[in-house]
Amino acid sequence: AQRVTQPEKLLSVFKGAPVELKCNYSYSGSPELFWYVQYSRQRLQLLLRHISRESIKGFTADLNKGETSFHLKKPFAQEEDSAMYYCALRNNAGNMLTFGGGTRLMVKP
Amino acid sequence: DVKVTQSSRYLVKRTGEKVFLECVQDMDHENMFWYRQDPGLGLRLIYFSYDVKMKEKGDIPEGYSVSREKKERFSLILESASTNQTSMYLCASSAVNQPQHFGDGTRLSIL
Repeated sequence: AQRVTQPEKLLSVFKGAPVELKCNYSYSGSPELFWYVQYSRQRLQLLLRHISRESIKGFTADLNKGETSFHLKKPFAQEEDSAMYYCALRNNAGNMLTFGGGTRLMVKP
Repeated sequence: DVKVTQSSRYLVKRTGEKVFLECVQDMDHENMFWYRQDPGLGLRLIYFSYDVKMKEKGDIPEGYSVSREKKERFSLILESASTNQTSMYLCASSAVNQPQHFGDGTRLSIL
């Protein structure tokens, strides 16, 4: 069975500080990993996917198959980054996603 | 831009009632999904549909059923609502092997 774990429910940093939201997964095959973000009073939206290897809003995430991790990083946090972040995994058998429990990021001024 | 529309933002029902949550997408996506979102538990898949009249159970289908009579519409049905079904319900759609797009959610309270 596949599983996604986000160990931190809440992460609080000061503006300008580096931020890393942790995501670990368990899956025996080759997964596809995503980060979704939900800003206050907005719908859940895709932030980035590992196969794109792109940086969105200054965020990057690298799939580490050895450590089965897909941590989300940003070198300098901004107040507008405050949101709920979800890591998700899609297996190679279909279209369903498995989500982690989510991490609330609070960026303080 | 993909639009996934959920019929209600807020809904209050009583225990034992039959509840319908509706979702419509305008991008001719094959796949549609229903999740519930609870603090600390993230999103949990209730049901998934990959074509008209086709459905698969997700992780927590008990107490729910779904209907997909048309490609653009996916309905979630609570046959006999209970208080533990109070939650935020999210609908999503996607093309095959593409990222999912979400609706605004329906906050359902069962009294």
